Amino acid sequence: GAVVSQHPSRVICKSGTSVKIECRSLDFQATTMFWYRQFPKQSLMLMATSNEGSKATYEQGVEKDKFLINHASLTLSTLTVTSAHPEDSSFYICSALPSSYLAGGTDTQYFGPGTRLTVL
Amino acid sequence: QKEVEQDPGPLSVPEGAIVSLNCTYSNSAFQYFMWYRQYSRKGPELLMYTYSSGNKEDGRFTAQVDKSSKYISLFIRDSQPSDSATYLCAMGAGGSEKLVFGKGTKLTVNP
Repeated sequence: GAVVSQHPSRVICKSGTSVKIECRSLDFQATTMFWYRQFPKQSLMLMATSNEGSKATYEQGVEKDKFLINHASLTLSTLTVTSAHPEDSSFYICSALPSSYLAGGTDTQYFGPGTRLTVL
Repeated sequence: QKEVEQDPGPLSVPEGAIVSLNCTYSNSAFQYFMWYRQYSRKGPELLMYTYSSGNKEDGRFTAQVDKSSKYISLFIRDSQPSDSATYLCAMGAGGSEKLVFGKGTKLTVNP
């Protein structure tokens, strides 16, 4: 159980285009999902916290107009990188927090396999 | 002082060795402590989850939390080449609070 998928697994795009990344919790509902980015040999950097039905909370220094997050259902959150540039090239990883934690369940995050974005 | 400190290594050990990985932290509000394993170009995989202080064992893995010292450890017994990965500690205050990650320790187990 507790499987999180991401699509696509890798994407190559031209500078100036927009890219959408999907994060799905496959066998549980997730009120909260998180988006991270990871540069080579670096740890995960939290970009934003996504809550179903409300606006995402962005970490300091993350441009909310550039990284659009939509958490439209309890199993799907999307990250759209708008007008991507080469410096946006990175490994983007989402995680999902099972809603069951509200009822005393484990409140640990389960991660997706990541999406490697390359902007030419 | 960073919230979470983790020696990035790299750490190289022979097969069968006992591996000790550690993190220290400064935020006394942290209640939940996790260890994730991340293979190259993959998402992190949850290995161990511990609430508050104490030990937890799962197969060859043992996680220890000492809240009085703000120190957590992951021990790997009888290490295998397949254990070669980056190990990330993570901790949080709980609920929907964000996790804070260590930088990760890159481990190589040599056959």
